[in-house]
Amino acid sequence: GDSVTQMEGPVTLSEEAFLTINCTYTATGYPSLFWYVQYPGEGLQLLLKATKADDKGSNKGFEATYRKETTSFHLEKGSVQVSDSAVYFCALSDQAGTALIFGKGTTLSVSS
Amino acid sequence: SAVISQKPSRDICQRGTSLTIQCQVDSQVTMMFWYRQQPGQSLTLIATANQGSEATYESGFVIDKFPISRPNLTFSTLTVSNMSPEDSSIYLCSVRTGGRTEAFFGQGTRLTVV
Repeated sequence: GDSVTQMEGPVTLSEEAFLTINCTYTATGYPSLFWYVQYPGEGLQLLLKATKADDKGSNKGFEATYRKETTSFHLEKGSVQVSDSAVYFCALSDQAGTALIFGKGTTLSVSS
Repeated sequence: SAVISQKPSRDICQRGTSLTIQCQVDSQVTMMFWYRQQPGQSLTLIATANQGSEATYESGFVIDKFPISRPNLTFSTLTVSNMSPEDSSIYLCSVRTGGRTEAFFGQGTRLTVV
């Protein structure tokens, strides 16, 4: 079945450091890919998405490119802030109308 | 995007009791889902709430323990029955609307069973 694999956390960075969180997927079709963020004590918010190969999703300085050849959707940010501290989830949707499948989540902690 | 109101936001319950969580959406949505997020873990799909019919449960989840209702296209409830401390989790309502690839989430219900 479909699945998402994320790098294990926690990831601890200093402010202004470069961030990469790896995400790879397994799917039978051509899924849509997502990154969601969960701030402490809150629900999940959509951070960015990509619906087809080579699409780049971007939001709030974060970017991820849909790489079909490597089945990956790595999240990057050039300069993290303390306010980026949160749990990041990679997810996919293989079919319209079905629930999203999530990775295990990666906790990011940014210190000043 | 859909705005989802989930109630209660948190609760502390005695073991053996039941809690009903409500999910209200500000617009009609095609699909509604319930997830569980155990402490420090990812999201696990409990079931798909089907409008006007029985919910579709994932492996490991049963209707007697997690009865779900969805009387219309904007509202659903999840009941956690006969609770034990192992049911302590965040329960999240999620929706998908026609024509949109992403899902939207409520703020979650943080349940502690003592």
